[in-house]
Amino acid sequence: AQKVTQAQTEISVVEKEDVTLDCVYETRDTTYYLFWYKQPPSGELVFLIRRNSFDEQNEISGRYSWNFQKSTSSFNFTITASQVVDSAVYFCALSEAQRAAGNKLTFGGGTRVLVKP
Amino acid sequence: KAGVTQTPRYLIKTRGQQVTLSCSPISGHRSVSWYQQTPGQGLQFLFEYFSETQRNKGNFPGRFSGRQFSNSRSEMNVSTLELGDSALYLCASSLGGQNYEQYFGPGTRLTVT
Repeated sequence: AQKVTQAQTEISVVEKEDVTLDCVYETRDTTYYLFWYKQPPSGELVFLIRRNSFDEQNEISGRYSWNFQKSTSSFNFTITASQVVDSAVYFCALSEAQRAAGNKLTFGGGTRVLVKP
Repeated sequence: KAGVTQTPRYLIKTRGQQVTLSCSPISGHRSVSWYQQTPGQGLQFLFEYFSETQRNKGNFPGRFSGRQFSNSRSEMNVSTLELGDSALYLCASSLGGQNYEQYFGPGTRLTVT
C-alpha cells in the first residue's frame, strides 16, 4: 500500500522568509509519480509539479523549487522569498505507474502555510 | 480553455436522502476522478472514470457510485446519506492514460443534517 506523510501540519512565516515543506512517501513500486498541489482558501486544488521516480533532478521554477531524493523517499518543496499570496494548504501526492492505477492520487495530510505581512 | 466545472457548488441534504453531483471536465480530457475531502480523513480517492468505464475505485461503501457519459462529463451519486458524508467533493480531469497531472474543479460542498 502506498502512503504519503507530511509531518508539518502548519508553518507560519513572515513575508520574504523561505519555507520548506517536507514530504515522505512509501510505495512498493519501482515506478511512480509524485505531485505537489496547492489549495488556496477558495478551495480549488492547483497543480504545481509532477515528477517521475526515474528523474531525481531537482527543479527550480521561479520562487518554487523541489528536492527529490529517492534514497530517503522524500520529495520536499521550497518557497523562496514567500509572499502573502502563498498562504494556502500544500499537498504532496503519489500515484503508482501500474496500469490499473490509472490516475489515482494518494495525498498526504497537507501543510498549511501562513505568510504574514 | 475553460476549467473543470462542478455543480452545484453547495448542497444541504438530510440523512437518508440521496444526492447527485455533476462534473464537466476540461475539453479534450477523457479521465475524470472524484475525491472526498474532510477535516478528519483528508483527501481520499473515490473513483476514476475513463472512456465511460470505471477504471479504479477507492475504499468507499457501495452507497457511492458514479458514471461517465460519452462527452466525458461525469456524475457521482450518494444514496442513503449519512452525517459523515458531509464533505467537499472534488472532481479532477486529466488527458487520460495514467499518471497525468490532474486539474481540479472548485468542488461541491455537501452538508448532511
